[in-house]
Amino acid sequence: DVKVTQSSRYLVKRTGEKVFLECVQDMDHENMFWYRQDPGLGLRLIYFSYDVKMKEKGDIPEGYSVSREKKERFSLILESASTNQTSMYLCALHNSGETEAFFGQGTRLTVV
Amino acid sequence: GDSVTQMEGPVTLSEEAFLTINCTYTATGYPSLFWYVQYPGEGLQLLLKATKADDKGSNKGFEATYRKETTSFHLEKGSVQVSDSAVYFCALSDRAGNMLTFGGGTRLMVKP
Repeated sequence: DVKVTQSSRYLVKRTGEKVFLECVQDMDHENMFWYRQDPGLGLRLIYFSYDVKMKEKGDIPEGYSVSREKKERFSLILESASTNQTSMYLCALHNSGETEAFFGQGTRLTVV
Repeated sequence: GDSVTQMEGPVTLSEEAFLTINCTYTATGYPSLFWYVQYPGEGLQLLLKATKADDKGSNKGFEATYRKETTSFHLEKGSVQVSDSAVYFCALSDRAGNMLTFGGGTRLMVKP
């Protein structure tokens, strides 16, 4: 079974803090994605990566950055957390148009 | 760009009722179509998929047919159970598999 592990299920951070969300996979997938999930808005793509040290902006990259130093690890960084970044964050792998995507269990981040 | 529209929820049904969740899409080319399910406190997992026109995906009593002429992929189940209570996401993937586009999600609540 493919395993996608997000480092935290719940996080509470203060406004202005730098926040790191980690995602680790145990498969050899090239493509990794970070989404945020908000009620009524579905999943919105923040950033994705096709390979080590490669990154591409998604639909809502503002206020975020990413790091992919190793193939199995894809980190999402909130440079200076704000309350409007309170959300559920989901990491996913997806390598082919015809195959399924695999998701981590999600990190619910609250910024106070 | 690609987009997915699904009916807003919540959808509340009694056990053993018939379920339909509508999903329509806009895409260039011939995308693959998916339904994902998110149970409380978990990430998304694949429920079913269809990769070409007229394909029917099915799993756990759920079905959806890829209708190219109406650009739709409606989810149906003949008799829902309390354990089906979850959020359901319709999604499409471009052929390269680099991008997934999600609908807004539909929360289903099934009462005993």
